[in-house]
Formats: sequence, structure tokens, C-alpha cells
Amino acid sequence: DQQVKQNSPSLSVQEGRISILNCDYTNSMFDYFLWYKKYPAEGPTFLISISSIKDKNEDGRFTVFLNKSAKHLSLHIVPSQPGDSAVYFCAASSRLYRDDKIIFGKGTRLHILP
Amino acid sequence: NAGVTQTPKFQVLKTGQSMTLQCAQDMNHNSMYWYRQDPGMGLRLIYYSASEGTTDKGEVPNGYNVSRLNKREFSLRLESAAPSQTSVYFCASSENGGEANVLTFGAGSRLTVL
Repeated sequence: DQQVKQNSPSLSVQEGRISILNCDYTNSMFDYFLWYKKYPAEGPTFLISISSIKDKNEDGRFTVFLNKSAKHLSLHIVPSQPGDSAVYFCAASSRLYRDDKIIFGKGTRLHILP
Repeated sequence: NAGVTQTPKFQVLKTGQSMTLQCAQDMNHNSMYWYRQDPGMGLRLIYYSASEGTTDKGEVPNGYNVSRLNKREFSLRLESAAPSQTSVYFCASSENGGEANVLTFGAGSRLTVL
């Protein structure tokens, strides 16, 4: 039973254009959502997060949008750059869980085309 | 500024052999985690430790044991390795507090079970 779903295994975007990565979740107890970026042969690194009390969070070229009623979040990267080519993982957690467990999606591989 | 250190980086085992993956963090984090990453499966939580002296099962704990030796160290043991445990293993830690439960990951340990 997948609680965090990233339905697009891969995405190709032209350099300079907008990249939109999507994530859906099923557990309404989740109240924090995070995006991680992973390069080959490295560990994932934290990119941006959003609390369920917000619907948008920006950090430079990265913006995360949260639609709680649809249980959907998206990561926008504008403009896309070659260094953005990586696997992006969506993750969710709930402070109501005593243990602060964090659940990841399967990831989306982003290719930025020259 | 080491962050999260995992050893070994690579290991090849025969079916039935045992081994321990070591993880240490120097950020004074309370929570530590072990994930495995498999193609098309994303990051799946094996075990986690919300604080020194406590451990809990994640999504895929079967075939593994863990020890939270102290606040810094969290080891993962395979008692009798199976080919299905061929994977890349990531250790992570978090402060376990604050607005977002941000994980810091190690570089990963690639394990092959023949």
C-alpha cells in the first residue's frame, strides 16, 4: 500500500523551461512534505519542504505547491538547468506519529535537455 | 564536517553470510534511519530509531536487525543474507524536532548477495 506516489518515473525538459514534478499521497495524517534530490552514487539531499498549513513555499528556482483537498503536491523548477538532472523523491511525515517516520515515493528521474 | 558516515561503501556476500553495516553521525541528531533503495521502488524504510535506546520497524524490516549503540551510531545487521537483500542501503539522521523533519543521508552502501 503506497502512501506516497510519484506516478511519473521519468521526465524530460528543455533547459530554461519549467520542470513540474508531481506527488500524491493517501494518508491524511501527513502534515509535512519534503522533496529530496539524488545524484548517482550519492545520498539524497534535502531540497525544499512545506507544512500542511501552507499551500506554497519558494526557495530560489524551486517552488512547492500543496493541494490538501486533492492530497497532491508539486515541485516547480524555473528555469531548469543542466545540474537539475537527477532523481527527485517526494517524502511525507506526520508529527502525530510518535516516531517521526518519513515515507518516500519511488522517485522521478528528471532529464534536462540542452 | 563529516555529517553521516557509512561503512563499507561496497560489499559482496554469499547467500547465508552475515554482515553489519555501520553508520555514524556527528550532528548530535536524535533520530537515525536505515533505508534501502531498489530500482523502481524508491527509498523504503527498514528500521529507525527515534532516540538513543529505542528502535522501531519500518516498511521492510524482515531479515534485518538494528542496534542503536549510542546517540552517534546506528548499525544494520543481516544475519543470513539473501539475494533479495541486494540493494543500496542509506543511513540517515534527523534532529527530530523543529518545523520539518529533514533527513541528512550518508553516501550509501552497495551490497550484492550472490
